[in-house]
Amino acid sequence: AQSVTQLDSQVPVFEEAPVELRCNYSSSVSVYLFWYVQYPNQGLQLLLKYLSGSTLVKGINGFEAEFNKSQTSFHLRKPSVHISDTAEYFCAVSVFGGAQKLVFGQGTRLTINP
Amino acid sequence: EAGVAQSPRYKIIEKRQSVAFWCNPISGHATLYWYQQILGQGPKLLIQFQNNGVVDDSQLPKDRFSAERLKGVDSTLKIQPAKLEDSAVYLCASSSAGESSYNEQFFGPGTRLTVL
Repeated sequence: AQSVTQLDSQVPVFEEAPVELRCNYSSSVSVYLFWYVQYPNQGLQLLLKYLSGSTLVKGINGFEAEFNKSQTSFHLRKPSVHISDTAEYFCAVSVFGGAQKLVFGQGTRLTINP
Repeated sequence: EAGVAQSPRYKIIEKRQSVAFWCNPISGHATLYWYQQILGQGPKLLIQFQNNGVVDDSQLPKDRFSAERLKGVDSTLKIQPAKLEDSAVYLCASSSAGESSYNEQFFGPGTRLTVL
């Protein structure tokens, strides 16, 4: 079975500062990796995904993430955050070639302070 | 293109009552998912449909939860009777079922259920 651990439940940062949200996963088979964002009272929106190829993936809103197979990590980064980035962020995995069920981490609440 | 639609957006019920949620996926999407998101946790898959057949319902509490997808389009998730621990946001998602090994899931806005 797959599992996802998001190491920080809350991350407060100042506007225009860089941020890193950490994600580690566990799986005995190859997986796809995802980051989703959830704004208040809204559904989940895909930020970026790693399927194969380059380990550095770029997503929407200036976010990027790096897949590290040896450390089973998929950390999300942004060099300069904006107030509008305040949201809940979820890391998720699905099994390569499987039924594409998503297994989510518990989420990280990113709060941007002016 | 219209997104995934869900209704109602909010529902408050007493414990032991029954409740139903409705989901209309993106047109043409063969795969439909229901997730339960308890406050402070990530979403957890309850059931996955491919057209009108069930692919995975291993985490659905079948003594009280049921779901159907008649005609392979809309879906209804029902809870009967509800318990306090069922308070959560219920998210519906859909994806196409192409031959690719990956098909993006698109999420609806969710239904927030409060059980008193």
